[in-house]
Amino acid sequence: AQRVTQPEKLLSVFKGAPVELKCNYSYSGSPELFWYVQYSRQRLQLLLRHISRESIKGFTADLNKGETSFHLKKPFAQEEDSAMYYCALWGPSNAGNMLTFGGGTRLMVKP
Amino acid sequence: NAGVTQTPKFRVLKTGQSMTLLCAQDMNHEYMYWYRQDPGMGLRLIHYSVGEGTTAKGEVPDGYNVSRLKKQNFLLGLESAAPSQTSVYFCASSYVQRGEAFFGQGTRLTVV
Repeated sequence: AQRVTQPEKLLSVFKGAPVELKCNYSYSGSPELFWYVQYSRQRLQLLLRHISRESIKGFTADLNKGETSFHLKKPFAQEEDSAMYYCALWGPSNAGNMLTFGGGTRLMVKP
Repeated sequence: NAGVTQTPKFRVLKTGQSMTLLCAQDMNHEYMYWYRQDPGMGLRLIHYSVGEGTTAKGEVPDGYNVSRLKKQNFLLGLESAAPSQTSVYFCASSYVQRGEAFFGQGTRLTVV
């Protein structure tokens, strides 16, 4: 079964510091991975997907199949980046094709 | 364009009571989903629907039922609420059955 692990529940950094939110996955096929973000009092929204190889709000994420990781990075954190971040994997499971979410990491950017 | 709207936003139930959560989307999406969000466990899929009149079980379907009588609406029912169903419930929809989903604002349910 596919599984997504985010080892850090809370990550606290100072403004301007680099940020790396870790995501590891277990999946036997070719994964399709996403990062979702939930800002305070807002709904969960898609931040980026690995197939697009895009940079959104300064964030990037590279799929490393050898290490089965999809870490989210930003070189200089801003206070407005404070939010809950979820890594998610799309693929087949016992319940059909579905998004499997990690436990989430709360990022706090201090001034 | 409202996107995905959930009703109600908050609810407190007594153990054994029943209730229905309503999800409505105005994007003409085929696929709709119900998730629950619990601390440290991320979002877990309860039930989903691949089109009007269809429903399927997700990871944690026990204690819940769903219906998709109209394409734009996806209802989640709790027949006999239990404290273990205290959670934040999210509805989502997508145009295709891929990873990009649009979420509602969530319903915070407390069962006492």
